Amino acid sequence: DTAVSQTPKYLVTQMGNDKSIKCEQNLGHDTMYWYKQDSKKFLKIMFSYNNKELIINETVPNRFSPKSPDKAHLNLHINSLELGDSAVYFCASSQALGAREKLFFGSGTQLSVL
Amino acid sequence: KQEVTQIPAALSVPEGENLVLNCSFTDSAIYNLQWFRQDPGKGLTSLLLIQSSQREQTSGRLNASLDKSSGRSTLYIAASQPGDSATYLCAGSDTGTASKLTFGTGTRLQVTL
Repeated sequence: DTAVSQTPKYLVTQMGNDKSIKCEQNLGHDTMYWYKQDSKKFLKIMFSYNNKELIINETVPNRFSPKSPDKAHLNLHINSLELGDSAVYFCASSQALGAREKLFFGSGTQLSVL
Repeated sequence: KQEVTQIPAALSVPEGENLVLNCSFTDSAIYNLQWFRQDPGKGLTSLLLIQSSQREQTSGRLNASLDKSSGRSTLYIAASQPGDSATYLCAGSDTGTASKLTFGTGTRLQVTL
């Protein structure tokens, strides 16, 4: 019954590898997001998609490529992983794009790049 | 560019005490302000959302206020319980980029028995 689920929960990998994080929401929401929480616990938006279309790309390196096959899914693929990519990545969703919308977050994927 | 600050970074109170968490933002052109709770190793849970036209929202023992002119929001927790222990984050949504939330760094709350 999890509303926003992301997999895997933990991801440990070597520098230079390519990895993906998957996110699915069963809330029927139109809008999905990826946020990054760094070691200082600072949360920052990376991407948002509305009805499978990219809305926000917050100057994230090209190595990060989100993909939304349908409204319920927003996956994050990361190429050529770097040490600085180590963080917790959160997927979120909202009913619509507007500022009145509450966000619902997944439980996060802790990425460790060695 | 919106900046959100939360003070204090950490707070410890005995059970039953009322407490206030503070959030400051630099840009008063804010669409809404949300308060979230984050438990260790888990995602964020939305607690309260205050629209720019509103001054406060209440849910149970929680009350959040928004003062755009002073660039401040407060989260009031009444009769605190150990289960309230978590990190509380505020986040503002800016004009023009309605769904992009700018988060503060949070206040880590511990309610002791």
